[in-house]
Amino acid sequence: GALVYQYPRRTICKSGTSMRMECQAVGFQATSVAWYRQSPQKTFELIALSTVNSAIKYEQNFTQEKFPISHPNLSFSSMTVLNAYLEDRGLYLCGARSTGANTEVFFGKGTRLTVV
Amino acid sequence: GDSVTQTEGLVTLTKGLPVMLNCTYQTTYSPFLFWYVQHLNEAPKLLLKSSTDNKRTEHQGFYATLHKSSSSFHLQKSSVQLSDSALYFCALSLNMGYKLTFGTGTSLLVDP
Repeated sequence: GALVYQYPRRTICKSGTSMRMECQAVGFQATSVAWYRQSPQKTFELIALSTVNSAIKYEQNFTQEKFPISHPNLSFSSMTVLNAYLEDRGLYLCGARSTGANTEVFFGKGTRLTVV
Repeated sequence: GDSVTQTEGLVTLTKGLPVMLNCTYQTTYSPFLFWYVQHLNEAPKLLLKSSTDNKRTEHQGFYATLHKSSSSFHLQKSSVQLSDSALYFCALSLNMGYKLTFGTGTSLLVDP
């Protein structure tokens, strides 16, 4: 079956430092990968959408300078939170799908970031 | 912009009772609507999806009907089980999940 693994599951970083999280797709080709963040008391916000061989599209309020994303192949993506501060804490979710009109998005369990 | 509203933050029910979780949305386009279920420490999983107006879609005992006239996609089940305790998210997309806009989620807690 199709699975998405995210690691680390939990991480703590000091304010002002950076933290990299990874997303691995197994059992399907992750042509598109979306990174979401769930901040405390909020729903999931889309950070950016990455499609292999296309430019990564960032949503308003999120930038490549702050959340650089790599999507080098059809099974892997990573995102770094640069210069993390308190407002960056939350659950970061990776959702991946393959191409096709009716393909499902598969989510990982998320990386929970705590900033101290 | 697009938005999804889930009015209930927490729903508590006794096993065997029916449940309806509300979901309304706003978009100027013709959307795909989804329900995702997230059990504790698990990944969100797709429960239901629809883009067809007034057609009931069902899966694992849950069902929902997209009503474009009222911009709603409420999730229902006729008899909840203990294993249904989870977080339920309603979401919309304009292109079959390529970019999802989530609601705030509803926690369903089923008591014995």
